[in-house]
Amino acid sequence: DTGVSQDPRHKITKRGQNVTFRCDPISEHNRLYWYRQTLGQGPEFLTYFQNEAQLEKSRLLSDRFSAERPKGSFSTLEIQRTEQGDSAMYLCASSQLSQPQHFGDGTRLSIL
Amino acid sequence: SQQGEEDPQALSIQEGENATMNCSYKTSINNLQWYRQNSGRGLVHLILIRSNEREKHSGRLRVTLDTSKKSSSLLITASRAADTASYFCATDEGAQKLVFGQGTRLTINP
Repeated sequence: DTGVSQDPRHKITKRGQNVTFRCDPISEHNRLYWYRQTLGQGPEFLTYFQNEAQLEKSRLLSDRFSAERPKGSFSTLEIQRTEQGDSAMYLCASSQLSQPQHFGDGTRLSIL
Repeated sequence: SQQGEEDPQALSIQEGENATMNCSYKTSINNLQWYRQNSGRGLVHLILIRSNEREKHSGRLRVTLDTSKKSSSLLITASRAADTASYFCATDEGAQKLVFGQGTRLTINP
């Protein structure tokens, strides 16, 4: 069990740029989740996949956000035309059905 | 949006003392989970209690659940410096989509 891996750990970008984050889940986990966490708050659900199918998206996930999980393995989260309010920690988690979620250490996004 | 509230928002105690954190939530749940987060790191799952359970233990952790009051508590006994972290409760509303509280920042003073 190598754990959930997220890349990069930190991303600094200018407002208006596009960014993409990657998450590699624990290999046998068929569910993958994305959360966003701002300073001093708990994580907020963004979206989740079961295998390659994206089954639910939060209304927090505006049209500028897109997530994919090709072949049901790693996942990417892209934010287009970044805004100041996108600054946050983006957390990925994976699980087996009905089992607790295992979290990665997140990608911290800073928008200049 | 956050499911519920945690109390206190911050807690500072001496090493060896017990720490109690409370969580309230708003809707019906399948289960409630507690997670720990060290600064700058991801969340680590501590314990899960199902809606038909009232109390659960794991090592130095004791969790209670009162579904009539929509509340839960996490007790950490004999605290250690390594327990310094933020603690979050999370409710499972189905499909394991977790809804987190705002967390309690726990500081253990040596």
